[in-house]
Amino acid sequence: AQSVSQHNHHVILSEAASLELGCNYSYGGTVNLFWYVQYPGQHLQLLLKYFSGDPLVKGIKGFEAEFIKSKFSFNLRKPSVQWSDTAEYFCAVNARSDQGGKLIFGQGTELSVKP
Amino acid sequence: KAGVTQTPRYLIKTRGQQVTLSCSPISGHRSVSWYQQTPGQGLQFLFEYFSETQRNKGNFPGRFSGRQFSNSRSEMNVSTLELGDSALYLCASSFTSGAADTQYFGPGTRLTVL
Repeated sequence: AQSVSQHNHHVILSEAASLELGCNYSYGGTVNLFWYVQYPGQHLQLLLKYFSGDPLVKGIKGFEAEFIKSKFSFNLRKPSVQWSDTAEYFCAVNARSDQGGKLIFGQGTELSVKP
Repeated sequence: KAGVTQTPRYLIKTRGQQVTLSCSPISGHRSVSWYQQTPGQGLQFLFEYFSETQRNKGNFPGRFSGRQFSNSRSEMNVSTLELGDSALYLCASSFTSGAADTQYFGPGTRLTVL
């Protein structure tokens, strides 16, 4: 069965610090990969996605993620976080062999950025 | 374009009752997926509908059901509510049912079962 693991449950950083959130998935086939963000009081929003091609993908608000197929990983990075990045971040996987758009989510990482 | 809308936003029910939640997808989107979000289990896939047909189903009991109408709006129903059904129910829409299509989420319906 597919699964997604996010390494950190809660990360606390100061503004301007660099961010890396880990995500590993378990699935033997070809996958599509996503990072979603949920700001306090708001709904889930897509940060970035990887379907194919360049394994380094850039998303909104300065976020990027790198797909490393050999490590089954899709880590999220940002060189300098801001207070407004405080949110919960979810990694998700969609197996291309599945019918339709069933997303498997990680447990989420809560990011707190101190001003 | 208006985003995904869900009604109602909040619901309080008692054990044994049933509940119906509604989702209107982004205009032009034909696929609607439902997810349950709880602090313990996180985000879990319930089912997906495309062109009024269920395309995929998660590991939830038969008390959870859904349907989609010809205008792509979707409803999900939970019968014989249990305390553990208290959760945020999220609806997501996408243009097609393809695995490579991006899902856009609504604000959710917060269901509390007493």
